[in-house]
Amino acid sequence: GENVEQHPSTLSVQEGDSAVIKCTYSDSASNYFPWYKQELGKGPQLIIDIRSNVGEKKDQRIAVTLNKTAKHFSLHITETQPEDSAVYFCAASIVVAGGTSYGKLTFGQGTILTVHP
Amino acid sequence: SAVISQKPSRDICQRGTSLTIQCQVDSQVTMMFWYRQQPGQSLTLIATANQGSEATYESGFVIDKFPISRPNLTFSTLTVSNMSPEDSSIYLCSVRPGTGSFKPYEQYFGPGTRLTVT
Repeated sequence: GENVEQHPSTLSVQEGDSAVIKCTYSDSASNYFPWYKQELGKGPQLIIDIRSNVGEKKDQRIAVTLNKTAKHFSLHITETQPEDSAVYFCAASIVVAGGTSYGKLTFGQGTILTVHP
Repeated sequence: SAVISQKPSRDICQRGTSLTIQCQVDSQVTMMFWYRQQPGQSLTLIATANQGSEATYESGFVIDKFPISRPNLTFSTLTVSNMSPEDSSIYLCSVRPGTGSFKPYEQYFGPGTRLTVT
């Protein structure tokens, strides 16, 4: 089955710096890669995702890149703010063309991001 | 995205008792899931809740311990039976809108139920 490794487990940055979280996956058939942000006491929130037909996707201060050959993908947060402090999870799954069938999500171990004011 | 609510939000229970967690979605969804998140850990899939039929359980989880119901496309329950302190976790309901949605493969999570077993 799929295995997703996530690094680092903790990341501490100063406000305004950039943060990068990296994940690798084992199943070359995986083609859908979402990222979740989980704040203390809340459920995970989908913040961005990427499918394997693109190499990069941006949404304001966050971006995700995908390298299919190396089987890794990364989350980039620029101009970090204290409210970015949370646990971030990457995940991988298989989506059949047309979205009519999909495998279960396999999650990474999580990264605790702390942004210091 | 779907709006998901869970009840209760937290509970403290005695060992040997059972707790039923409810999950309500504001729109019809194709797929509903139940996850467990132990303190400081990642998310582990317990089972997929199937409408009108028995849930599909992941390895290590059994129906006798975690019975699941899904009577319609917007509601599901998870029961944690005969609880022990090892069952202390966050239990999360999750949904995929599925066919007919703009992004049927996106998956959303509820706020979670924080369970402590003493």
